Amino acid sequence: AQKVTQAQTEISVVEKEDVTLDCVYETRDTTYYLFWYKQPPSGELVFLIRRNSFDEQNEISGRYSWNFQKSTSSFNFTITASQVVDSAVYFCALKEDPGTASKLTFGTGTRLQVTL
Amino acid sequence: DGGITQSPKYLFRKEGQNVTLSCEQNLNHDAMYWYRQDPGQGLRLIYYSQIVNDFQKGDIAEGYSVSREKKESFPLTVTSAQKNPTAFYLCASSITWGAGTEAFFGQGTRLTVV
Repeated sequence: AQKVTQAQTEISVVEKEDVTLDCVYETRDTTYYLFWYKQPPSGELVFLIRRNSFDEQNEISGRYSWNFQKSTSSFNFTITASQVVDSAVYFCALKEDPGTASKLTFGTGTRLQVTL
Repeated sequence: DGGITQSPKYLFRKEGQNVTLSCEQNLNHDAMYWYRQDPGQGLRLIYYSQIVNDFQKGDIAEGYSVSREKKESFPLTVTSAQKNPTAFYLCASSITWGAGTEAFFGQGTRLTVV
């Protein structure tokens, strides 16, 4: 069965610090997709990135970067030079691809608090 | 603006009452989903629909019901059989049910039993 673990429940940093959010996943499939979502205080989940299991190339988007390592089943998310607006709950999620319907499994989330 | 609209934002229910949460999308997406969020537990799938007039149970469907009579609408009814309905409910949609498609979420409905 698929499983996503976000061991960090809460992280507090001071603005401009770099912060890494950890995500470890379990799956028996060779084809799967990994996602990161941001949930600001408003409640809506905002899609950040999708990565498929055959693409281990790291990705950078502005201050955000993602490190995908199949060898350790991890898909970590780094925010460089954090800002107060980054304060939110961040979810990592996994979707297997068995060829038919597949469901999105979420981790329990990491609450990031960025202070001045 | 294209998106997903959930209403109401806050909902209070007396024990023993059924309540219906609304979810409408104008993204022309085939697939729609309902998730429940509890503190410290992430999101859990209640029901999903791959296409109009079709829906399937998720991991925690007991005490809930849905319908999908129109592509853009996927209402969720929380019945009196749901023993612990107080939670944050999120509706989502995606172009298809396929694994490689991301889901887009509404702003949620917070349901409280009083």
